[in-house]
Amino acid sequence: DAMVIQNPRYQVTQFGKPVTLSCSQTLNHNVMYWYQQKSSQAPKLLFHYYDKDFNNEADTPDNFQSRRPNTSFCFLDIRSPGLGDAAMYLCATSKIAGEKQYFGPGTRLTVT
Amino acid sequence: SQQGEEDPQALSIQEGENATMNCSYKTSINNLQWYRQNSGRGLVHLILIRSNEREKHSGRLRVTLDTSKKSSSLLITASRAADTASYFCATEKNFGNEKLTFGTGTRLTIIP
Repeated sequence: DAMVIQNPRYQVTQFGKPVTLSCSQTLNHNVMYWYQQKSSQAPKLLFHYYDKDFNNEADTPDNFQSRRPNTSFCFLDIRSPGLGDAAMYLCATSKIAGEKQYFGPGTRLTVT
Repeated sequence: SQQGEEDPQALSIQEGENATMNCSYKTSINNLQWYRQNSGRGLVHLILIRSNEREKHSGRLRVTLDTSKKSSSLLITASRAADTASYFCATEKNFGNEKLTFGTGTRLTIIP
């Protein structure tokens, strides 16, 4: 089945130690999104790609970077995780920007 | 910034009853979408309603949109235990760079 896959599902990192979360999709969608979701809150968009065009949200900290080497893969790099970065990170795709989004299962990040 | 506010924040009903959740938003939109999120999982798209539509149905789901009041409602009829989840509305703003802004969510609990 076509889907959005996120690895790992659970990630523990130390304060200040760089971490990379990955997302892959078999849907061949042009648009990919990264969201941060803290407990009992709405998903917050960090950035999105329309094909290779990168779009950063104005309030996304510089600590967060992203790479999209090809259509299928997208990575979220957190350069120096702080305790406040502990959250669920959700990857999503859409065929047409602004339309229905398909979400992966998320990566739960814990910072110790 | 938060575009959508949902009401109520939490709702508990008996299995078989209908559940209604409301979403209000602030700016003109192209479309409004509803998503479901089971605890600790990714979001699942339920339904999309465009700004020129007033009502849409999908199975046991009924969504209405009132653009004059900037509000939408999601009705789940004949609720089941499996409907227990958080429900989020998300809006694509006019001239919004084709991205979604999520509301605060309603936590729905179905009591067997």
